[in-house]
Amino acid sequence: GESVGLHLPTLSVQEGDNSIINCAYSNSASDYFIWYKQESGKGPQFIIDIRSNMDKRQGQRVTVLLNKTVKHLSLQIAATQPGDSAVYFCAERDGNNDMRFGAGTRLTVKP
Amino acid sequence: KAGVTQTPRYLIKTRGQQVTLSCSPISGHRSVSWYQQTPGQGLQFLFEYFSETQRNKGNFPGRFSGRQFSNSRSEMNVSTLELGDSALYLCASSSGQDGYTFGSGTRLTVV
Repeated sequence: GESVGLHLPTLSVQEGDNSIINCAYSNSASDYFIWYKQESGKGPQFIIDIRSNMDKRQGQRVTVLLNKTVKHLSLQIAATQPGDSAVYFCAERDGNNDMRFGAGTRLTVKP
Repeated sequence: KAGVTQTPRYLIKTRGQQVTLSCSPISGHRSVSWYQQTPGQGLQFLFEYFSETQRNKGNFPGRFSGRQFSNSRSEMNVSTLELGDSALYLCASSSGQDGYTFGSGTRLTVV
């Protein structure tokens, strides 16, 4: 499979701090990227997307940055709240229209 | 607008049995993808259907199959169940352009 999920990277932040979750993708032909949030017992929930012709896109409290030179994607969450605690996945769509998911990062927000 | 609906939510089956899972996509979405999620392997792509045709297939044995109906609803079937098939099976629908919306998944336990 595409994901190595034995040990999820974890990020622990204090409530109110900003969070940055990183993702490295593999295919330079990937043209579309999505960040998903998955809470325990639920399916992944779309957060924000970005096309390869953009470097940055902002949503409500979230910003996605794309660095095509080093094939790196990041998700920034401003003023992190306890409800943001979840596993965050990045996904890339390659030239064959296949979506590939990263292993995910577990974000824990401490009150 | 109703989301992606997966049924059943939970299922317990015995080794050797077969199982059929159902997914109703968002109205108007013609693409349905299936994923297997386990703690050890993360999200792994099973297959994608678009307008009743299988468009892509992941690296799973032939025991895993699927189909899509004319109303875009999709089913996946797993025959001769093995203990290792225990997982959360997720369905995602898309209009074919951008953004995959996931259902809550079916939790399959094989005993």
